[in-house]
Amino acid sequence: DQQVKQNSPSLSVQEGRISILNCDYTNSMFDYFLWYKKYPAEGPTFLISISSIKDKNEDGRFTVFLNKSAKHLSLHIVPSQPGDSAVYFCAARAIQGAQKLVFGQGTRLTINP
Amino acid sequence: NAGVTQTPKFRILKIGQSMTLQCTQDMNHNYMYWYRQDPGMGLKLIYYSVGAGITDKGEVPNGYNVSRSTTEDFPLRLELAAPSQTSVYFCASSYEGVSTEAFFGQGTRLTVV
Repeated sequence: DQQVKQNSPSLSVQEGRISILNCDYTNSMFDYFLWYKKYPAEGPTFLISISSIKDKNEDGRFTVFLNKSAKHLSLHIVPSQPGDSAVYFCAARAIQGAQKLVFGQGTRLTINP
Repeated sequence: NAGVTQTPKFRILKIGQSMTLQCTQDMNHNYMYWYRQDPGMGLKLIYYSVGAGITDKGEVPNGYNVSRSTTEDFPLRLELAAPSQTSVYFCASSYEGVSTEAFFGQGTRLTVV
């Protein structure tokens, strides 16, 4: 049972345009959400996070939106740059204090010049 | 400036062999984690530790063991390697649990034949 789903395995966006990566979840007990980025042959790196008490968090070119009623979050990258080409994972924490994250399958983002 | 260091980077094991994946961090983080990533899938938590001397099971602990005798080191032991353990393994650490930024090692690609 996949509690965190990234339904788009890949996404291709032109440089300078907006990239929107989506993530759906099923567990209403998730209280914290994170996005990680991964380049080939490297470990994931943290990008941005959001608590379930918020609906938006922004950090430079990256904004995460949370729609609790739809159990949906999205990551917006504006403007997209070639260095943003990577695999993006969303992850969720089930309850406060727990040390377990549930990860989605990842979306491969390709930024075309 | 090493961060999280994993060794080895690659390993081929025969069925039934054992090995230890090493992980060390120099950021004085209390929390450490072991994940595995299978092709096309997200990361799954194997074991985690909230401090020296304390470990707990994650989502997929069967076939693995860990220890945490120091803050810096968190080795992962495979006792009887099976083909199902073919995966990429990532060690990570964080200062205050999974809702904060985790720093990942570069990964160990393990093949069991």
